[in-house]
Amino acid sequence: TQLLEQSPQFLSIQEGENLTVYCNSSSVFSSLQWYRQEPGEGPVLLVTVVTGGEVKKLKRLTFQFGDARKDSSLHITAAQPGDTGLYLCAGLIQGAQKLVFGQGTRLTINP
Amino acid sequence: EPEVTQTPSHQVTQMGQEVILRCVPISNHLYFYWYRQILGQKVEFLVSFYNNEISEKSEIFDDQFSVERPDGSNFTLKIRSTKLEDSAMYFCASSAGGWQETQYFGPGTRLLVL
Repeated sequence: TQLLEQSPQFLSIQEGENLTVYCNSSSVFSSLQWYRQEPGEGPVLLVTVVTGGEVKKLKRLTFQFGDARKDSSLHITAAQPGDTGLYLCAGLIQGAQKLVFGQGTRLTINP
Repeated sequence: EPEVTQTPSHQVTQMGQEVILRCVPISNHLYFYWYRQILGQKVEFLVSFYNNEISEKSEIFDDQFSVERPDGSNFTLKIRSTKLEDSAMYFCASSAGGWQETQYFGPGTRLLVL
């Protein structure tokens, strides 16, 4: 069974602070996708990382894929209340056709 | 920007009834998926579909479930005889040129089985 452990599950910080969310697994992924999900809606893609060691930036969000393609992180700089939401990581298992999801990080940014 | 659409957004049904959930994938995509998310739990893979065939399915996807691409645009998930534990959000997803491509998700159908 492929598992993707995401941490922390809950994070509440003040506006302006920095934060990092982690996804870890013992499995190697072909790629890893980060989504944001609003209540009652579907996951909305933020980024896909494919190459080991890859770093992608999306404004204040920085995504990194581990060298061994088993882990990833999402770093938010100077968090804003608009960043509040549920962040999901999902890994594409090598040789398979399915995404394995982490349990999500529920982020709250307090003004 | 092209997006995956799903209907209905909500469905309430009685246990034992059949339901069909509908999806319209992104128009040039060839690979289709269904996932589900029970309230408070992880998103789980159900099935992948390509070239009018199931390519991979999870242990959740038993004989009560089936998928179909009845025409050039729709992709459906049928649950033949619903159970209480089928209550969940069901998400359709599609990807473009291969299994390794990014998957784009629809807004989901919330299914409640009473």
